[in-house]
Amino acid sequence: ILNVEQSPQSLHVQEGDSTNFTCSFPSSNFYALHWYRWETAKSPEALFVMTLNGDEKKKGRISATLNTKEGYSYLYIKGSQPEDSATYLCAFGNAGKSTFGDGTTLTVKP
Amino acid sequence: DTEVTQTPKHLVMGMTNKKSLKCEQHMGHRAMYWYKQKAKKPPELMFVYSYEKLSINESVPSRFSPECPNSSLLNLHLHALQPEDSALYLCASSQGGVGRFEKLFFGSGTQLSVL
Repeated sequence: ILNVEQSPQSLHVQEGDSTNFTCSFPSSNFYALHWYRWETAKSPEALFVMTLNGDEKKKGRISATLNTKEGYSYLYIKGSQPEDSATYLCAFGNAGKSTFGDGTTLTVKP
Repeated sequence: DTEVTQTPKHLVMGMTNKKSLKCEQHMGHRAMYWYKQKAKKPPELMFVYSYEKLSINESVPSRFSPECPNSSLLNLHLHALQPEDSALYLCASSQGGVGRFEKLFFGSGTQLSVL
């Protein structure tokens, strides 16, 4: 059983704040690390697929980094907006068998 | 069409009922997945079909029976479920099969309650 952990479990920030959260995964036998955003009453949406140590990906105000040697990925949100409120899931991917973390639930207050 | 469509959105069934969940995508994706998600827990993989063949079964009880009639359609047949099977059932697809770099496209799920 793969251990994929996310922290913090929940986060409340003010609009305009920048924030970040962590996904930890086994550092041996790395395959790929996925980030998803899941807004309430919607479908989970893929944000990034991270594949190489040192990868940095960016999509608008959201960016992610990857350290496979120490087994963690950070997701950053710059200048949080209320529409960023969602649960952010990471998934450690292995040939279609993605193991998900519990998620970080972000609430951005106007 | 970039959607994965799941029906029904909500389902209530008794333990003796037989029902089916349906998932459809028209993006030409070659792999389709069923996940189960209990409240405040991460999605758990149940089944994967790759090129219309069952490639992964995560030791799911036989009261759940998947079916992939064609490359666009995935069903999950339910029979003699238990109350602990109540959960959100998510369907997903990926473009090129089950490769590790493939991102998943999810439906919005079927919320199942077993009485």
